[in-house]
Amino acid sequence: GAGVSQTPSNKVTEKGKYVELRCDPISGHTALYWYRQSLGQGPEFLIYFQGTGAADDSGLPNDRFFAVRPEGSVSTLKIQRTERGDSAVYLCASSLMSSYNSPLHFGNGTRLTVT
Amino acid sequence: KNQVEQSPQSLIILEGKNCTLQCNYTVSPFSNLRWYKQDTGRGPVSLTIMTFSENTKSNGRYTATLDADTKQSSLHITASQLSDSASYICVVQSGKGQNFVFGPGTRLSVLP
Repeated sequence: GAGVSQTPSNKVTEKGKYVELRCDPISGHTALYWYRQSLGQGPEFLIYFQGTGAADDSGLPNDRFFAVRPEGSVSTLKIQRTERGDSAVYLCASSLMSSYNSPLHFGNGTRLTVT
Repeated sequence: KNQVEQSPQSLIILEGKNCTLQCNYTVSPFSNLRWYKQDTGRGPVSLTIMTFSENTKSNGRYTATLDADTKQSSLHITASQLSDSASYICVVQSGKGQNFVFGPGTRLSVLP
């Protein structure tokens, strides 16, 4: 696979449920980012990994949101006790390194709908 | 506060015409400015990346300009095609690491 892969592409869940969103970055990319995008808005930063560790999680809105990247490649964004306001497209991006001038490569996102 | 503003919010043009999208930013420190194209239902795709010392960069029919003094950038699209219909997002990276500031995007519609 040449690009960033995100699964599932769509997820519908009931309020209060737990969801996991998966991101497979481009092989060899050490930097991985999660963003949330609402309709008509630009992506909003959630969390950034450099390798296995979360280098910056300041964008996570509250403690219901958590993300892991245990082996430095695949990452999972976990949302507990989902709320209707969590409905959005969750985008994952990876880059070769975090230094400037490295382009971000985005996946096509997971559209989360909380009913 | 670091911010990126874009104008217009939306734009409709006829196929074959040119257009220019604007981006103003207040981001410090500045590392680079990027333009992304986002098709409906897809993730953003990088068009250009410009550092402080670059004031023009082209990618096919897309030409981005950067004026670091006035903190303005533009994206010019030449001879538009139907496939150019998308949102165009201006992004400024501040320092290294994760600090990307995204604009809200300009929604471009190219009509036949």
